[in-house]
Amino acid sequence: GNSVTQMEGPVTLSEEAFLTINCTYTATGYPSLFWYVQYPGEGLQLLLKATKADDKGSNKGFEATYRKETTSFHLEKGSVQVSDSAVYFCALSVQGGKLIFGQGTELSVKP
Amino acid sequence: EAQVTQNPRYLITVTGKKLTVTCSQNMNHEYMSWYRQDPGLGLRQIYYSMNVEVTDKGDVPEGYKVSRKEKRNFPLILESPSPNQTSLYFCASRPFWWEIHQPQHFGDGTRLSIL
Repeated sequence: GNSVTQMEGPVTLSEEAFLTINCTYTATGYPSLFWYVQYPGEGLQLLLKATKADDKGSNKGFEATYRKETTSFHLEKGSVQVSDSAVYFCALSVQGGKLIFGQGTELSVKP
Repeated sequence: EAQVTQNPRYLITVTGKKLTVTCSQNMNHEYMSWYRQDPGLGLRQIYYSMNVEVTDKGDVPEGYKVSRKEKRNFPLILESPSPNQTSLYFCASRPFWWEIHQPQHFGDGTRLSIL
C-alpha cells in the first residue's frame, strides 16, 4: 500500500546550521509529494511540492527533490533560523484525493 | 481572502455528549476532507467528500459522521464522543478530487478533549 516514513524527531539545531529531514515513500502509480509545515498553535501550510520524478520544489530557502529511484523526498535548508522552528510533515498525494502523511518531525532551532 | 474556517478552535466536553465541528471554505472547492492528528501518527483521513452529497470513509471513520449538503460546508459530527477521540482535527479542501498535483488547503485546526 501507500505510506510515508519520516525521520524521527525532535531535531535540535543551532541557528545557521544545515538541515536535512529524511522522507521516503511507498506508492503505486505516479503520486505527487508535498512538504507541509505547522508552526506552533497554527494549522498546516504548504511549504513546497513536486509533481513528477526529478522535480525540485523550493520555497523560503527549503528544497526537496522527488527521487523516484530511491523513493525519497528529503527536505533541506542550508542555514536554518529560529523562525523555522516548527513541525514538518512529508505527504503523498494519491489517486482518489487522499493525502498520506508521515508522522511529522519537530524542529527546534536555538539562537 | 481564500481560507478554510473551522469552529470551534478548542472544545473540552464529556463522553457521550454529541458535538459538531463546522468547516467552511470560500474557494468554491469540490473536494473536502477531515483529518485527525495524533502524536507519532501524523495526520490520518477520517472522511472525505468529492462533491455535494458524495461522501466516503477515510482510514479512521469509526465514531464519526459527516454531511455535505452544500459545497462550502463539511461538518464533522461526533454522535457519542469517547476519550479516544481526543485529538487535533483539521479540515482541508482542494478544487477537484482528481487533481492530486494540487495541494490541499487546511484550516487552523480544532483541538478536542473528551473527558
